[in-house]
Amino acid sequence: QQKVQQSPESLTVSEGAMASLNCTFSDGTSNNFRWYRQHSAKGLEVLVSIFSDGEKEEGRFTAHLNRANLHVSLHIREPQPSDSAVYLCAVSHNYAQGLTFGLGTRVSVFP
Amino acid sequence: NAGVIQTPRHKVTGKGQEATLWCEPISGHSAVFWYRQTIVQGLEFLTYFRNQAPIDDSGMPKERFSAQMPNQSHSTLKIQSTQPQDSAVYLCASSPGQKYAEQFFGPGTRLTVL
Repeated sequence: QQKVQQSPESLTVSEGAMASLNCTFSDGTSNNFRWYRQHSAKGLEVLVSIFSDGEKEEGRFTAHLNRANLHVSLHIREPQPSDSAVYLCAVSHNYAQGLTFGLGTRVSVFP
Repeated sequence: NAGVIQTPRHKVTGKGQEATLWCEPISGHSAVFWYRQTIVQGLEFLTYFRNQAPIDDSGMPKERFSAQMPNQSHSTLKIQSTQPQDSAVYLCASSPGQKYAEQFFGPGTRLTVL
C-alpha cells in the first residue's frame, strides 16, 4: 500500500524568500504526482502535476521528481502572504486510480 | 463553469442516523472520486466511478458506507447508522478521465455525528 510522507510539518518563510517542501513515497512504480494547496475552509487547488523525472514549472511553483530516490519536492519562488496555506502532495500508480495524499505542510508567509 | 458542486455543505446527524451526501461533477467529466479528510488521517481515497460504473472502492469501509452514480450528473455517498468516528469532511472530485488529467475537487461536505 502506497505511503506518502511530507516534511516539514510546518514552515515559516519571509515574503520573497524561497520555500521548499518535501514529499517521499513508497511505490517506485508510481507515475502520477501532484501538488495541491488548501486554504482554510476552501477546496483543493492543483498547483503542479509531474509525471516523469525532472522539473516542472507552473508560474512561481516548481516541482522536482526523482523516482529512484522516491522523492518529489515543491519550491515556491517569491512567496506572498496569500500563499499561506496547507500544501498537499498526492501520488498514484496511474491516472486511473484514486490519489494517496500526505498529511501536508502548513506554510506561513510573513511580510 | 460552476466547478464540482457538493451538497449539503454542512450536515449534523445523531448517532445511528443515515447521512446522504451529494456530488455534481463538472459537466463532461467521466470520472468521479470520493475522499474523506480528517485531522488525524488526512485525505483518504474512498471510491471511484468512471462513466458511472464503479471502478475501485478499495478505500470504502466494508460496512455502512455505499456510493452510487445513477447518472452522469450526480453521485451519492450514503452512510448508514452513522458513528462519531464518521465525522469528517467528505470531498468529491471529478476528472475528464484522460491520461494525466487533473482531478478537480469540490468544497466538501462537513459531516458531524453527535
